[in-house]
Amino acid sequence: QVQLVQSGAVVKKPGASVRVSCKASGYTFDTYGVTWVRQAPGQGLEWMGWISAFNGNTDYAHEFQGRVTMTTDTSTSTAYLELGSLRPDDTAVYYCARVLGALDYWGQGTLVTVSS
Amino acid sequence: DIQMTQSPPSLSASVGDRVTITCRASQSIASYLNWYQQKPGEAPRLLIYDAASLQSGVPSRFSGGGSGTDFTLTISSLQPEDFATYYCQQRYLIPLTFGPGTKVNIK
Repeated sequence: QVQLVQSGAVVKKPGASVRVSCKASGYTFDTYGVTWVRQAPGQGLEWMGWISAFNGNTDYAHEFQGRVTMTTDTSTSTAYLELGSLRPDDTAVYYCARVLGALDYWGQGTLVTVSS
Repeated sequence: DIQMTQSPPSLSASVGDRVTITCRASQSIASYLNWYQQKPGEAPRLLIYDAASLQSGVPSRFSGGGSGTDFTLTISSLQPEDFATYYCQQRYLIPLTFGPGTKVNIK
């Protein structure tokens, strides 16, 4: 069965960077893309960008340009999100999701807390 | 960017009720519209893709409709496990965008 398992919760200080991992199983990793979506406490869903696991092509949302990097490691079927210059309003649950049109399988989410 | 709106923002309904949620796009998105359900503390779950196609494993009481700019999600007979927040999402253009959500509460 398809599973996406994310890394655990982290606490970071403002200005730091965070890397979240998303390990996929149960399907051929490089035939799909991976999207990252975040959800601030009590808020809705915000698309951050996506990466093709086939060729590494990316598209990032405007508001994250310059401080976000999405990568994949096809040898371990793992996708990574790195977000830099963290601010308190980056505190959120970060989700990865498999994408081919719709976001059909999601990771369990990773809580990133940014606090001094 | 394509803006997505949903109505109502929240609703109260009883088990067995028929519930309809509306989603509107700021420009035509053909049928490139998906619906998700999210319960507190859980990841979203895909219900409907491409406006009207039921995702595998999703109960048939869920249905989607519409095209262009106006879309609906209907739950034909609300069940206790359906109390949740529902989001629409367009995939017509990057950036993908979500609606603000509709929370379905127990009356």
